[in-house]
Amino acid sequence: GEDVEQSLFLSVREGDSSVINCTYTDSSSTYLYWYKQEPGAGLQLLTYIFSNMDMKQDQRLTVLLNKKDKHLSLRIADTQTGDSAIYFCAETPRWAGSYQLTFGKGTKLSVIP
Amino acid sequence: AAGVIQSPRHLIKEKRETATLKCYPIPRHDTVYWYQQGPGQDPQFLISFYEKMQSDKGSIPDRFSAQQFSDYHSELNMSSLELGDSALYFCASRIQGLAVNEQYFGPGTRLTVT
Repeated sequence: GEDVEQSLFLSVREGDSSVINCTYTDSSSTYLYWYKQEPGAGLQLLTYIFSNMDMKQDQRLTVLLNKKDKHLSLRIADTQTGDSAIYFCAETPRWAGSYQLTFGKGTKLSVIP
Repeated sequence: AAGVIQSPRHLIKEKRETATLKCYPIPRHDTVYWYQQGPGQDPQFLISFYEKMQSDKGSIPDRFSAQQFSDYHSELNMSSLELGDSALYFCASRIQGLAVNEQYFGPGTRLTVT
């Protein structure tokens, strides 16, 4: 995760919106991804955005992409306790010969009932 | 829908022992990736295979080796285990050639080296 940065912790109240931010470095990444990891579990692909898009909405999830600033965000509307998890943004840098993912350090989202 | 299967889910080994982790990708997925996630860390790419051939290597120690078999399952072999090898090991699979790099992750194998 040395090239992808995220804030480590976020705490929100149930029902509020959560915004998780990510800064990536490789502007050639065609797609950018958000993964969710619940305690002791694997990584679940939540959503992704194509690099020529500014925004993508998928039910409670909204992804915003500012390609000029290499900034990606994930907004979760009406956050629920089941959303408590670690959220990783990920990219596939140009040097990734087999399209392996490079992850950020992850943001731990805690939802307060 | 079928998911990526990994076995075993938990493994405890002693220093200097060997371990073999197995991964069964989603049917018709031709590409397999191995990632290592240390405690509190992000997943780090180890190695990948496409159509049973190694396609790329990341930060995989020389003590580790891997292969993909004719039925597309993959095994990660780890020798001379060290305490620092304690981690979650994920396998992911995808279909090569799709525009979106959708990798589907298995539940992981938690390796503890004592």
